[in-house]
Amino acid sequence: QKEVEQDPGPLSVPEGAIVSLNCTYSNSAFQYFMWYRQYSRKGPELLMYTYSSGNKEDGRFTAQVDKSSKYISLFIRDSQPSDSATYLCAMRNSGGYQKVTFGTGTKLQVIP
Amino acid sequence: GAVVSQHPSWVICKSGTSVKIECRSLDFQATTMFWYRQFPKQSLMLMATSNEGSKATYEQGVEKDKFLINHASLTLSTLTVTSAHPEDSSFYICSAKNRVLNTEAFFGQGTRLTVV
Repeated sequence: QKEVEQDPGPLSVPEGAIVSLNCTYSNSAFQYFMWYRQYSRKGPELLMYTYSSGNKEDGRFTAQVDKSSKYISLFIRDSQPSDSATYLCAMRNSGGYQKVTFGTGTKLQVIP
Repeated sequence: GAVVSQHPSWVICKSGTSVKIECRSLDFQATTMFWYRQFPKQSLMLMATSNEGSKATYEQGVEKDKFLINHASLTLSTLTVTSAHPEDSSFYICSAKNRVLNTEAFFGQGTRLTVV
């Protein structure tokens, strides 16, 4: 079993739709949870960063963490064609050796 | 946000030669830089953690003699793929952590290596 599971998609939605992206994990030591957006042949770009459980909102993006269920989500409201990319969840513990574990990424396509 | 520059963005080399990839933090000091490898439709796999002024820490299964990492300054880390073979063809990405702000790492744009 992988430490972080993420549905690779692809996920196709019409422009304006609400997108829900999810990851599950098995390591209860994870404390920091991130979402990255990666365009083709580019490096990942940090979108959201959450510590422990709870919600965080930034513009059209909302990140949720449920540590009791080991489940994290990223919601994108009013999706745009420019949101088409691969979204990677990532997480790490709070120890000194801050190795980040990534999901495989979900490919999202927003259709105009 | 902070800028991490990776160079070159793509490179083609002959089997048996060595290739050096540079990772620079342009507007901040990075005590720690990370090197990842990404295969198509797969996640980023951490290869090694590079600390300025000390030896890199390699992940299990990564050959340190094949993937040489040097982190000589707070703004530059290099990855050298020695005696490259076609199976080393991949997308290599670095990331750097801001020493002062201690934020999550920022990623470079990646280097696509093709060994022929």
